Amino acid sequence: DAGVIQSPRHEVTEMGQEVTLRCKPISGHNSLFWYRQTMMRGLELLIYFNNNVPIDDSGMPEDRFSAKMPNASFSTLKIQPSEPRDSAVYFCASSLFLGGSYEQYFGPGTRLTVT
Amino acid sequence: SQQGEEDPQALSIQEGENATMNCSYKTSINNLQWYRQNSGRGLVHLILIRSNEREKHSGRLRVTLDTSKKSSSLLITASRAADTASYFCATAYTGGFKTIFGAGTRLFVKA
Repeated sequence: DAGVIQSPRHEVTEMGQEVTLRCKPISGHNSLFWYRQTMMRGLELLIYFNNNVPIDDSGMPEDRFSAKMPNASFSTLKIQPSEPRDSAVYFCASSLFLGGSYEQYFGPGTRLTVT
Repeated sequence: SQQGEEDPQALSIQEGENATMNCSYKTSINNLQWYRQNSGRGLVHLILIRSNEREKHSGRLRVTLDTSKKSSSLLITASRAADTASYFCATAYTGGFKTIFGAGTRLFVKA
């Protein structure tokens, strides 16, 4: 298995531009998580899906952030418009949730820099 | 607020020594997990301990869980330079999908 795949690995954009991050979870997993990691705030859970349905998006910082999971093999996290404070490493993780005990498999992350 | 809080924040030891990291949490959990992150990489799952378990081993790793004190510890025995990384505890609370990560302990093992 290729593991969780994220693209792009690096993204540099100017303030105000739209940014789309992509994630392909591990085949057969039914849960998907988007995290953001910064030195100041550590690892923050933004949103998670179960069976393609968003379960909790309370971690999404603002309306500028949106996430979709149109099918079991693909998810996007979109920031529109982007701001310098959105600069961070964004991780996608997937897991197989079987009623309580599960481990998450993380992708390599997308390092976003907004200038 | 974060569910898991690790201490120490940073730990520097010599190769061959044991490294102990602690994690405290606030509410009832279903399980607690430890992850490792090498610089510039994603997190890698190390070990999961369920709320009804007290101790678990995996290779050079030993994890304990004390639900009465709401705390866990990760022991890495006979550390190696390659163990240099950040270690995070993550708690999955009862009845939910959500896993909350702590701030992590940065371990540096000197060769």
